[in-house]
Amino acid sequence: DVKVTQSSRYLVKRTGEKVFLECVQDMDHENMFWYRQDPGLGLRLIYFSYDVKMKEKGDIPEGYSVSREKKERFSLILESASTNQTSMYLCASSPGNWDTEAFFGQGTRLTVV
Amino acid sequence: AQSVTQPDIHITVSEGASLELRCNYSYGATPYLFWYVQSPGQGLQLLLKYFSGDTLVQGIKGFEAEFKRSQSSFNLRKPSVHWSDAAEYFCAVGPRGTGFQKLVFGTGTRLLVSP
Repeated sequence: DVKVTQSSRYLVKRTGEKVFLECVQDMDHENMFWYRQDPGLGLRLIYFSYDVKMKEKGDIPEGYSVSREKKERFSLILESASTNQTSMYLCASSPGNWDTEAFFGQGTRLTVV
Repeated sequence: AQSVTQPDIHITVSEGASLELRCNYSYGATPYLFWYVQSPGQGLQLLLKYFSGDTLVQGIKGFEAEFKRSQSSFNLRKPSVHWSDAAEYFCAVGPRGTGFQKLVFGTGTRLLVSP
């Protein structure tokens, strides 16, 4: 089974902290994605990566950065967490073509207090 | 800009009744189309997808969807709903030809199943 594993299911952080959300996939996929999920807004793409050390901004990159040093790992970084970044964060991975689906992790619910 | 509209935020269906969840998209050309399901506390699972060909697509768990180009719609259907179908359903579109699979999601429809 393809697995996309997010390191934490729940996180509580303080305003101003630097926060790392980690995602690992075990299927040698080229593409990896970070989405943010909010009620009434669906999923919105923050960043994606199509290769090691390559990244592209999604629709809502402000306040976030990413790192992909190894193919299997894609990290989302909140440089200085704010309360409006309280949300569910979903990581996904996919091969470099459309013939197969994108696989999602179970999500990290982040609360910034 | 591309967008996906799911007009129903919540739908309640009796167990055993039929289900239709609506999805309309706005796009420059016919995109790739997807339906995902998210059970409580879980990630998203692909139900079905449309790339080309037959406009009626069969998916997992007894779901199907019909692509109607003239209406820019991709509605999800199931003839008989089970209690385990209670979940949130997301319609998504993806651009042809990029290979990056940048999906644009609708806002979701939460399905409640009554006994």
